Amino acid sequence: DAGVIQSPRHEVTEMGQEVTLRCKPISGHNSLFWYRQTMMRGLELLIYFNNNVPIDDSGMPEDRFSAKMPNASFSTLKIQPSEPRDSAVYFCASSFSAAWPLHFGNGTRLTVT
Amino acid sequence: QQQVKQSPQSLIVQKGGISIINCAYENTAFDYFPWYQQFPGKGPALLIAIRPDVSEKKEGRFTISFNKSAKQFSLHIMDSQPGDSATYFCAARVDGGSQGNLIFGKGTKLSVKP
Repeated sequence: DAGVIQSPRHEVTEMGQEVTLRCKPISGHNSLFWYRQTMMRGLELLIYFNNNVPIDDSGMPEDRFSAKMPNASFSTLKIQPSEPRDSAVYFCASSFSAAWPLHFGNGTRLTVT
Repeated sequence: QQQVKQSPQSLIVQKGGISIINCAYENTAFDYFPWYQQFPGKGPALLIAIRPDVSEKKEGRFTISFNKSAKQFSLHIMDSQPGDSATYFCAARVDGGSQGNLIFGKGTKLSVKP
């Protein structure tokens, strides 16, 4: 199994630009999670999907953030417009069902200058 | 009440020594407590987990000790090796709930010196 695949691994962009992060969950997993990791706040859940449907987006910091899951094998997290304070490592994780252990991808390191 | 407090922030241990990381929680509804291990440039990976009906769980060199009355749990790494150098996160959630309800500690960076 290839595991959770995230792209790009690194993204450097200027303030105000649109950023799109991508995730391919493990085949057969029906729950998908987006996390953000910073030194100050640690690991924070942004949003999670169950069977492609957003269940809880209360962690999405503001309207500049949006996430979609058009099918079981793909999800995106978009930031528009990006700001320097969005700089962080963004992780996607999937699980067999909502209560099963998480499998994390290797993350996307986002730097907004 | 939703927080999980983890200490220490960083830890240096000699090879062969015991590494101990502690976590405390407030929410008595939490009843599933996993530990995740994260290497640089990688995502966290589940290491070991415990439910409060047992006071200890051991998997190889890794042991979770759980004290329900004190609302504390800890990870012990016996015979620590340089390959154990990583960041460790404790977490907690209400059992039966979604992994989306996992609350993570801030992490402990462990360095094992040869």
